[in-house]
Amino acid sequence: DAGVTQSPTHLIKTRGQQVTLRCSPKSGHDTVSWYQQALGQGPQFIFQYYEEEERQRGNFPDRFSGHQFPNYSSELNVNALLLGDSALYLCASSLSQGDRNYGYTFGSGTRLTVV
Amino acid sequence: QKEVEQNSGPLSVPEGAIASLNCTYSDRGSQSFFWYRQYSGKSPELIMFIYSNGDKEDGRFTAQLNKASQYVSLLIRDSQPSDSATYLCAVNRDNFNKFYFGSGTKLNVKP
Repeated sequence: DAGVTQSPTHLIKTRGQQVTLRCSPKSGHDTVSWYQQALGQGPQFIFQYYEEEERQRGNFPDRFSGHQFPNYSSELNVNALLLGDSALYLCASSLSQGDRNYGYTFGSGTRLTVV
Repeated sequence: QKEVEQNSGPLSVPEGAIASLNCTYSDRGSQSFFWYRQYSGKSPELIMFIYSNGDKEDGRFTAQLNKASQYVSLLIRDSQPSDSATYLCAVNRDNFNKFYFGSGTKLNVKP
């Protein structure tokens, strides 16, 4: 049973460039959430996708956008990269099931460095 | 005010001792509470979750929740050097799997 798969593992980009990160959720999960984790900080919620739509969004600018595909996989796109976007980007999958949630399964993350 | 607050540590305990990790949250409407462990350079992994006031035990781990005081804790009994990691407290306020994370407490278990 595959867990959450993220690609690439590491990425170095130049300021102003655009980047796309990819995530395949755990088998059986239908919801994908993206988090940004700066060094020494806890993960910060970017947005969440369910049924191919953005269901919730955190306090991130419009430069951050995403997509979910029919097979539940997801992409995170960041435009006009800033140095401050350097962080570990975590994809978390879960199963939406009524009035309870049982936590995320996280992928191993993508380490983005903006130079 | 942050949604979830944790002491950054480091918290140092000797091997075999009980480690006590604490977390407070700001929204009284919060419904579920999670503890994750994160080793350096790795992604968070779920340890346990708790919904109701009181204690919940799972092996060497016990989560404690006090909604009146807006306080969650994690006790690790018989601490091992392999427990050395950063422990993240996460709080969920609604049914949509959106979590607010604390900054984590770094735990060092000394042999």
